[in-house]
This record gives sequence, C-alpha cells and structure tokens, in this order.
Amino acid sequence: GENVEQHPSTLSVQEGDSAVIKCTYSDSASNYFPWYKQELGKGPQLIIDIRSNVGEKKDQRIAVTLNKTAKHFSLHITETQPEDSAVYFCAAKDSGTYKYIFGTGTRLKVLA
Amino acid sequence: DGGITQSPKYLFRKEGQNVTLSCEQNLNHDAMYWYRQDPGQGLRLIYYSQIVNDFQKGDIAEGYSVSREKKESFPLTVTSAQKNPTAFYLCATQLAGSTDTQYFGPGTRLTVL
Repeated sequence: GENVEQHPSTLSVQEGDSAVIKCTYSDSASNYFPWYKQELGKGPQLIIDIRSNVGEKKDQRIAVTLNKTAKHFSLHITETQPEDSAVYFCAAKDSGTYKYIFGTGTRLKVLA
Repeated sequence: DGGITQSPKYLFRKEGQNVTLSCEQNLNHDAMYWYRQDPGQGLRLIYYSQIVNDFQKGDIAEGYSVSREKKESFPLTVTSAQKNPTAFYLCATQLAGSTDTQYFGPGTRLTVL
C-alpha cells in the first residue's frame, strides 16, 4: 500500500548548523507534499509545502526539495535556532484523493 | 490551530465508557478529518467527511463513530469497543477544490484509567 518513510527519527544539531530530514514515498500519483512542525502537546503546524510541478521551494530559513524520479523530498533548515526544536512530519497526497500519508516523524533537537 | 477548536484538551475515561471529542471550525472548510497519534508513529486516519451528512471510514475506524450534521462541527465518539483508546487525537480541516492544504487543531489527549 501507500507508504511514506521518514529519516532520521531523531536529529541533534548545534545551533547555527543546518538540518536535513528526508522522506521517501511509494505512490507515484502523489503530487502534494507538506511538512509540519509539531511542538510538544500541540497540533501540527504547516511550515512549507511543495507540489510535483516544482523542484524546490524556499521560505526564509526553510526549504523543501523534491525529486520525483527518485520519489523523495527533503526539508532543509538553515541557521537552526533552539526554537526550531520540535517533531517534524512529512506527508504525501494525491490531489485526486482525500488521503494524506504521513511519515513517522523526526525529533529535531537544536543544541545551544 | 487558529479557527479550529478541539475540546477538551485533556480527557479521562474509565473503561467501558463512551466519550465524545469535540471539533469545531470557523474556516468554512468543507472537509474535516480525525487522526489518532501514538508515540513514535505517524498520524493514522480514523474518519473523514467531505460534506455535511456524509463521512467515510479511515484506516482505523473500529471502535469510533462520527457525525457531520453541520459544516462547522465534526464530533468523534470513542466507544467502549475501542480497546486501546489512550492517544492524542487531532482534528483537521481542508478547503475543498484546488488546494490540498490541511490545517490541524490543537488536539485532545485521551487517557483511559
């Protein structure tokens, strides 16, 4: 069935360094790929998303890249700050369906 | 958050009891979803609804029920048939049409005593 694999499950970086989280999806019909940030005890917040007709999208310190051929997409956070510490989830969706397939999450710790 | 309200924030249930989790939205979004989140796992879909008076089962619907009598509201009932209900429950909405963006509420943590 449809599946999204997310790696790594935990990631520790020094403040100011970059962090990269990678997701691989199985359904070639997927064409929408959001990334969510979830702080402890709260609901996920959308931080960036990308569609399959675009290879890269950037919003200040956050960027997402998509490789349709390899079926993977990655979240890049530059100049990390302690407030970036959270769990990050990726997801994949086929616009013709209702269903979002989520990765299992990456716990990012930014060490001051 | 922002336009999606879930209540209560914390809920305790005794075994054998049914409980209802509330989800209300003022975003005028057509679709609403319920997810369950367990530690170390991705979000799993319980039910979703694309329009009023219509809803479909997700991947883990057993032991849960929903209703969609109003566009703004999508309550989830966790019944006594759900054997392991302790989890964090998330409601989400999506504006139908060309956008796929999904927004989440703040969540309800349910604990079975």
